[in-house]
Amino acid sequence: SQKIEQNSEALNIQEGKTATLTCNYTNYSPAYLQWYRQDPGRGPVFLLLIRENEKEKRKERLKVTFDTTLKQSLFHITASQPADSATYLCALDEAWAGNMLTFGGGTRLMVKP
Amino acid sequence: IAGITQAPTSQILAAGRRMTLRCTQDMRHNAMYWYRQDLGLGLRLIHYSNTAGTTGKGEVPDGYSVSRANTDDFPLTLASAVPSQTSVYFCASKTSGRAGELFFGEGSRLTVL
Repeated sequence: SQKIEQNSEALNIQEGKTATLTCNYTNYSPAYLQWYRQDPGRGPVFLLLIRENEKEKRKERLKVTFDTTLKQSLFHITASQPADSATYLCALDEAWAGNMLTFGGGTRLMVKP
Repeated sequence: IAGITQAPTSQILAAGRRMTLRCTQDMRHNAMYWYRQDLGLGLRLIHYSNTAGTTGKGEVPDGYSVSRANTDDFPLTLASAVPSQTSVYFCASKTSGRAGELFFGEGSRLTVL
């Protein structure tokens, strides 16, 4: 069966360190992968998109990698800040699925001052 | 710019009652989606619409119906609510093209007793 796995346990890190979140998938062939941020009681907000033929994408302090051989994406936040504390969701799109995105369960990040 | 507006924000409903969750967007996006979010299960797609006049079933469509009479509105109806439909419901729309990002509303928290 198809699965998108994100670490359900919260990731606790110290301010200033790099946070690394993982998104693993099985039985998917995604055309692209997206990362979203969700704050408590709010809707998810888009952060980054990476295509299947891209290895890495950067945006300010954010970096996403996409390894279609390992079936894994890594999401990095460098120089993390307490304001980065949120739940981060990955989402996949497959070529056959038209306009539909499938989401992982999300990983909660806590950055301590 | 409002983006995606959902109503109501929160609702408590008796089992067996009919309920419509409203969703309106002002971005003229063709594609719209309804997701439900439950603890431990992440976001799951209920129904979607690629363009006005068309709808499709997502991962968990049973007990729900949608309509798309125009570009801006995409209501979700629970014909006869059951307690398992207690959840947070998110409406989203998507920019043009397959690689577009999703824009989410702030959610409707529904409790069915």
